[in-house]
Amino acid sequence: DIVMTQSPDSLAVSLGERATINCKSSQSVLYSSNNKNYLAWYQQKPGQPPKLLIYWASTRESGVPDRFSGSGSGTDFTLTISSLQAEDVAVYYCQQYYSTLLTFGPGTKVDIK
Amino acid sequence: EVQLVESGGGLVQPGGSLRLSCAASGFTVSSNYMSWVRQAPGKGLEWVSVIYSGGSTYYADSVKGRFTISRDNSKNTLYLQMNSLRAEDTAVYYCASSPQRDTPLDYWGQGTLVTVSS
Repeated sequence: DIVMTQSPDSLAVSLGERATINCKSSQSVLYSSNNKNYLAWYQQKPGQPPKLLIYWASTRESGVPDRFSGSGSGTDFTLTISSLQAEDVAVYYCQQYYSTLLTFGPGTKVDIK
Repeated sequence: EVQLVESGGGLVQPGGSLRLSCAASGFTVSSNYMSWVRQAPGKGLEWVSVIYSGGSTYYADSVKGRFTISRDNSKNTLYLQMNSLRAEDTAVYYCASSPQRDTPLDYWGQGTLVTVSS
C-alpha cells in the first residue's frame, strides 16, 4: 500500500496569513504516461463529510476559492491557503488515487491564531 | 443534484453483523466507482472498499474477508455487508463516488455511525 504522511499535525495561523500543509507519499503517484499526479486534497469541517478541494495535485474543484492552491509532483506535495479565512478552520487530508487501494494522510488541523 | 444518503448504522455486539445502505439520487450508482470510507471517533479517514462500474471489488486489508460491497442497480443503492464486527470497526461510514477509475472522491454522503460494543 502507498503510505501517506502529512506535516504538521496541526497549525494555527492568523487571519489573512498563509497556511502551508505538506504531504508525502511512500512512492511516486506520478503516472508517466499522462504526466498526472494522482493526488487530491480534502477539507473536513466538524460534523461534516470531507469535501474535495483539489485533484491532480493542483486543479481546484469547481467552486473552491482561489486562495486554495496545490503544488508538487512525484512524492512531495503542498496545499497552500494564501490568506486564511475564519471558514477555513478544518482538518485537511491528502489522498492518493494512483493505487486501487486508496489511502489518506493522517490529516492536518488548521486553526486561527 | 447528486445526493448520497447512508443508513443502517447502529449499535452491534462484537462478532455481529450489520448491513449499510447508500441510496443515490441525481446519478447512477452502476455507472460510477463507489467507495466506502470510514472515520473512527476523533480519527482520520480510512478507505474501506470500492466497487467499479464493471463490478470488480476491492477491500482494505483490515476488512478483507469480513466485509462485502455490493449494489442494487434497480434501487440505485450501494451496500456494505459487515460481518464478524470488532470494536475497531466502530466509526462513521461514508459512501463516496468517483466518476471513473483513478479519479478522486467527488461526492460524499453524510455518513452513518456504527458502534461495536457489548
